Amino acid sequence: DGGITQSPKYLFRKEGQNVTLSCEQNLNHDAMYWYRQDPGQGLRLIYYSQIVNDFQKGDIAEGYSVSREKKESFPLTVTSAQKNPTAFYLCASRRGLDVDTQYFGPGTRLTVL
Amino acid sequence: GQSLEQPSEVTAVEGAIVQINCTYQTSGFYGLSWYQQHDGGAPTFLSYNALDGLEETGRFSSFLSRSDSYGYLLLQELQMKDSASYFCAVRDPPGNTPLVFGKGTRLSVIA
Repeated sequence: DGGITQSPKYLFRKEGQNVTLSCEQNLNHDAMYWYRQDPGQGLRLIYYSQIVNDFQKGDIAEGYSVSREKKESFPLTVTSAQKNPTAFYLCASRRGLDVDTQYFGPGTRLTVL
Repeated sequence: GQSLEQPSEVTAVEGAIVQINCTYQTSGFYGLSWYQQHDGGAPTFLSYNALDGLEETGRFSSFLSRSDSYGYLLLQELQMKDSASYFCAVRDPPGNTPLVFGKGTRLSVIA
């Protein structure tokens, strides 16, 4: 089955610790995205990558970092510099230029204690 | 810059029809997408309109008026499982850019 996987589903961390969220896709999609969702809010873009070894900041990139060493993988690190990291994090991918359909992973709910 | 406006909440009765509106302001325009998200779940793609008019997919339809910068999602024969949040989204600026999402409309279907 093709799709996007995110792990873990729930993650707890102490304040001040960096944490890395995993995102893997086997859809052979070029573009990948990270969104953050807070309760009752829409999806806000953190980072995105259109090709391997390249990525761009989204609207709320401060306190986050990413890498794109492989087409299939786009991990997100939430650093201690992120002031309010508790949120639901969604990874998505898109095939290419001609489609608007983004496929989302199941999400990771991060709670910082 | 861009902005998308949609109502925050809508309540409708099972079996009825409900319309969720979305107005947008963008620097350019490719098309309007709609996504559904159940509580705790991932958003899933519902529909996409690039041209004016109505697109129908089963119980769901989506409409676009480019001249009015307006679209809506129409859900017919509502079922309890349709209770979810619905997001409109655009690519702005047009091109190989990420989708920008509205804040979502929470639909509650009641018996």
